[in-house]
Amino acid sequence: GAGVSQSPRYKVAKRGQDVALRCDPISGHVSLFWYQQALGQGPEFLTYFQNEAQLDKSGLPSDRFFAERPEGSVSTLKIQRTQQEDSAVYLCASSPRDRVNYGYTFGSGTRLTVV
Amino acid sequence: AQSVTQLDSHVSVSEGTPVLLRCNYSSSYSPSLFWYVQHPNKGLQLLLKYTSAATLVKGINGFEAEFKKSETSFHLTKPSAHMSDAAEYFCVVLGLNNAGNMLTFGGGTRLMVKP
Repeated sequence: GAGVSQSPRYKVAKRGQDVALRCDPISGHVSLFWYQQALGQGPEFLTYFQNEAQLDKSGLPSDRFFAERPEGSVSTLKIQRTQQEDSAVYLCASSPRDRVNYGYTFGSGTRLTVV
Repeated sequence: AQSVTQLDSHVSVSEGTPVLLRCNYSSSYSPSLFWYVQHPNKGLQLLLKYTSAATLVKGINGFEAEFKKSETSFHLTKPSAHMSDAAEYFCVVLGLNNAGNMLTFGGGTRLMVKP
């Protein structure tokens, strides 16, 4: 596609509910990142995929967070038993193999509100 | 390890006057540096990137940034602010971690432009 697409755009979840956030990267981009942006803060790294391999998940805040990219394209970030502190914008970014020269393209994000 | 410090959380300028958004970084490696802009309820947009080719980098919408290794700085400038420049700006360093690459964001600078 022309850009990185994320869905849903907005999600309201009741505390304790499970949610799934989807990211459609640019076709052919091997690298895919998830970031969490709390209100008034800069984005913080959650996890990184190269193709279908999850090479770094050091930023996931707890074992309630799980991400997958089974076929090396679409990725899903799942949050189990949501808590209020999970409320944030979740950003997805993708890049081609030459990430330095081509940079990273970000999606518009999913705003998660846990009530 | 790498880190990014944006020295001002808020900057206010009048339309038509120069813009200066300050960024200092630390990195164990020769860094690649980026500036991204985020308009309200919009995704992150790449303004410009430094990849060691030239120390003065020109970006979109009249913005430019100068990489100064001796000062570990990568300040963003624009000669004349426009109302449409009002947004949140992030300085970002691409560094190496165990998985190969990660973007680290500064805390952001909110630019306000007065008529």
